[in-house]
Amino acid sequence: DTAVSQTPKYLVTQMGNDKSIKCEQNLGHDTMYWYKQDSKKFLKIMFSYNNKELIINETVPNRFSPKSPDKAHLNLHINSLELGDSAVYFCASSLRTGKAFFGQGTRLTVV
Amino acid sequence: DQQVKQNSPSLSVQEGRISILNCDYTNSMFDYFLWYKKYPAEGPTFLISISSIKDKNEDGRFTVFLNKSAKHLSLHIVPSQPGDSAVYFCAASESNTGKLIFGQGTTLQVKP
Repeated sequence: DTAVSQTPKYLVTQMGNDKSIKCEQNLGHDTMYWYKQDSKKFLKIMFSYNNKELIINETVPNRFSPKSPDKAHLNLHINSLELGDSAVYFCASSLRTGKAFFGQGTRLTVV
Repeated sequence: DQQVKQNSPSLSVQEGRISILNCDYTNSMFDYFLWYKKYPAEGPTFLISISSIKDKNEDGRFTVFLNKSAKHLSLHIVPSQPGDSAVYFCAASESNTGKLIFGQGTTLQVKP
């Protein structure tokens, strides 16, 4: 059983398109996150939701919009994709202040 | 401004020997530190953590040491095994946020 699963694993799309990445966790955690790993391999937090409420919103373009329909899901919508959005996006979950469990990642390539 | 730094991008050790991975941080408000291991095309997996009230935590072959005065932590793996070859990320958090700040990672290669 996958604890944190995200789909798709690979996503290739053209500039200007709108795309979504889905994430689900079955760990019963109350907090979910989106992290981005850029071409230099840095892992940086983008968003955090606790019980469906946005609690962390780092300096991210407003083309990126997270949506949490319930505690177990946190989806990431990206509008008007740009070349610089190409990266690996990781979903994660944790109890409020505990260790985070990560999904396998979604490699987004914008062409 | 990088608050968590791993200054060694790579490390190579012989199987059976000790691997020591280092991490420095600048924010004295961090009170929880973690090490993650990452294989290619997979997400980071949790390895071991330490609270700022401790200076050592051990789990099997893995031990994390924390030196708060130096704002430094290290991960010791002994004995190292070829399956330990991966990228290791150090991370730190303030307990009231849950947000993890990651270092840039160290690629460990354990040679048979």
